[in-house]
Amino acid sequence: AQSVAQPEDQVNVAEGNPLTVKCTYSVSGNPYLFWYVQYPNRGLQFLLKYITGDNLVKGSYGFEAEFNKSQTSFHLKKPSALVSDSALYFCAVRDGGFQKLVFGTGTRLLVSP
Amino acid sequence: SQTIHQWPATLVQPVGSPLSLECTVEGTSNPNLYWYRQAAGRGLQLLFYSVGIGQISSEVPQNLSASRPQDRQFILSSKKLLLSDSGFYLCAWSRFGTSGTSYEQYFGPGTRLTVT
Repeated sequence: AQSVAQPEDQVNVAEGNPLTVKCTYSVSGNPYLFWYVQYPNRGLQFLLKYITGDNLVKGSYGFEAEFNKSQTSFHLKKPSALVSDSALYFCAVRDGGFQKLVFGTGTRLLVSP
Repeated sequence: SQTIHQWPATLVQPVGSPLSLECTVEGTSNPNLYWYRQAAGRGLQLLFYSVGIGQISSEVPQNLSASRPQDRQFILSSKKLLLSDSGFYLCAWSRFGTSGTSYEQYFGPGTRLTVT
């Protein structure tokens, strides 16, 4: 079965500093990977996805993610964090042919002023 | 553009009462539809998914059921709620695709269910 792991429950970063939220994956076949963000009491918002092609994927709100096949990782990054980036971030991988997704446990990002 | 609606936004129900949560999608046809439950503000558990009218696949055996009476309508139901059914319920849709494609899912605003 496909799976993703988010090793950090929480990431703390100061505003203006670069941020990284980690994700590793385990799949059979080609990985289809996604990042989502969730603000309190809201649904998830799609940030970006990796299907194939360039290892650096650019997404919404200045976020990008780096796909690394040898390390089986798909880390989310942003060059300069904003306080408004504080939220819960989920990594996900496609599981099966019906566009089902398997989500990680989530990483809470706290950006301090 | 596509929009996904869920209602109600919040619900407080006693143990043993029935449940009906509704999800509708606008601006697309023949979507895949999904119900998730999120407990304690963390991980998402896929409950049901549907690739067409009347076609429901269950991921986790429980006292919940789902139905898709129309192309863009997805309903989550229970005949008798349990305390453990409390949580944040999210509906999502994606484009219908084959195994060679991969489309992102788009989520609704969610329903916060508290069973007392």
